[in-house]
Amino acid sequence: SQQGEEDPQALSIQEGENATMNCSYKTSINNLQWYRQNSGRGLVHLILIRSNEREKHSGRLRVTLDTSKKSSSLLITASRAADTASYFCATDNYDRGSTLGRLYFGRGTQLTVWP
Amino acid sequence: SAVISQKPSRDICQRGTSLTIQCQVDSQVTMMFWYRQQPGQSLTLIATANQGSEATYESGFVIDKFPISRPNLTFSTLTVSNMSPEDSSIYLCSVLKVGLTNEKLFFGSGTQLSVL
Repeated sequence: SQQGEEDPQALSIQEGENATMNCSYKTSINNLQWYRQNSGRGLVHLILIRSNEREKHSGRLRVTLDTSKKSSSLLITASRAADTASYFCATDNYDRGSTLGRLYFGRGTQLTVWP
Repeated sequence: SAVISQKPSRDICQRGTSLTIQCQVDSQVTMMFWYRQQPGQSLTLIATANQGSEATYESGFVIDKFPISRPNLTFSTLTVSNMSPEDSSIYLCSVLKVGLTNEKLFFGSGTQLSVL
């Protein structure tokens, strides 16, 4: 079964606004990653946050992780039309002695940014 | 980083036939992975392709249906055998790159498979 679940499933905002997407997962993890996918094609890695980290920044991206709630959020600030894409969280599975690369993805949030 | 070339980018196939998808990486990588993304769904790991050994399949996926080759450190193939419409998906290969402070999965652009 899927490990991660994103919320909301779809998000529509205007350029310049902030977009926040949430992810919940089920098992213990070593790390959580966020990916972006344009038009149902290859995924692009955005950011990785380790289980002992609470917050991480990369450019306009801010990721938080709350392991007690088994949840993470991705914030995109000052969004642009080019940010329109699907965003997925992905986790490993600490309980299964995970191997890097064996990731469990949520269903994703479809973000639409209107000019 | 890693540049991954995946072929074909899309195909329409008849039920009962097989399709082999190729994945070429611009650098040597130890671990390659094959994922499937069914329409409107998330990605599901099919198997880990290790050079010099048999692929390791996830629960629900078997070698007879998805045979994988990994002849060297830059190349892998996934075959979707005896296809049915339920196999219509995007198939993605990915490679793991491990740095000093980070690990990243790089993905190919995917193969859009439609089975009639």
